Amino acid sequence: DAGVTQSPTHLIKTRGQHVTLRCSPISGHKSVSWYQQVLGQGPQFIFQYYEKEERGRGNFPDRFSARQFPNYSSELNVNALLLGDSALYLCASSLGRLGDTQYFGPGTRLTVL
Amino acid sequence: GEDVEQSLFLSVREGDSSVINCTYTDSSSTYLYWYKQEPGAGLQLLTYIFSNMDMKQDQRLTVLLNKKDKHLSLRIADTQTGDSAIYFCAERGSSASKIIFGSGTRLSIRP
Repeated sequence: DAGVTQSPTHLIKTRGQHVTLRCSPISGHKSVSWYQQVLGQGPQFIFQYYEKEERGRGNFPDRFSARQFPNYSSELNVNALLLGDSALYLCASSLGRLGDTQYFGPGTRLTVL
Repeated sequence: GEDVEQSLFLSVREGDSSVINCTYTDSSSTYLYWYKQEPGAGLQLLTYIFSNMDMKQDQRLTVLLNKKDKHLSLRIADTQTGDSAIYFCAERGSSASKIIFGSGTRLSIRP
């Protein structure tokens, strides 16, 4: 069975641009969560979506947004990129019930120049 | 507030046991996790324990939970070179949508 997939694997952008990252959950999973992992730190929670609705939001500015599609895949959008947005962006999928174990994808490495 | 703390580095000799420790502050934590991250890769779930358990064993991995002291540990028996990675301790409340991670412990193996 395929695990969580994310695209692209690497991305280079300049300050002020916007970026869209994509995630496909494990088959049968209905919930997707997004995390940001800055180099040398643990992942920080950004969003969780379940059945196309936002279930949780972390302490990130409004430049960060996300959505979930009917097939449960998800996009994370970041506008007006800052140097500090450079990080590994991880997507995690779970069945959807609160407390379900989250399984992580390989991540998208975003570099902002 | 919610916080998870771990020591940054651990070095062990190949074949010895590794013990990685973690403390957390949220007394409502229901799920406690250990994730492994190899260089350039995502997070691999190693094991997890419910807060009503004291211990969980899974092959070479043993998790101990002291809920009173909010202390979690991961023991890796017979540590091998393939165990070199960063290990993240994480916690989650029963109704929480987010997982709170520590900063990770880098495990290095000496020959």
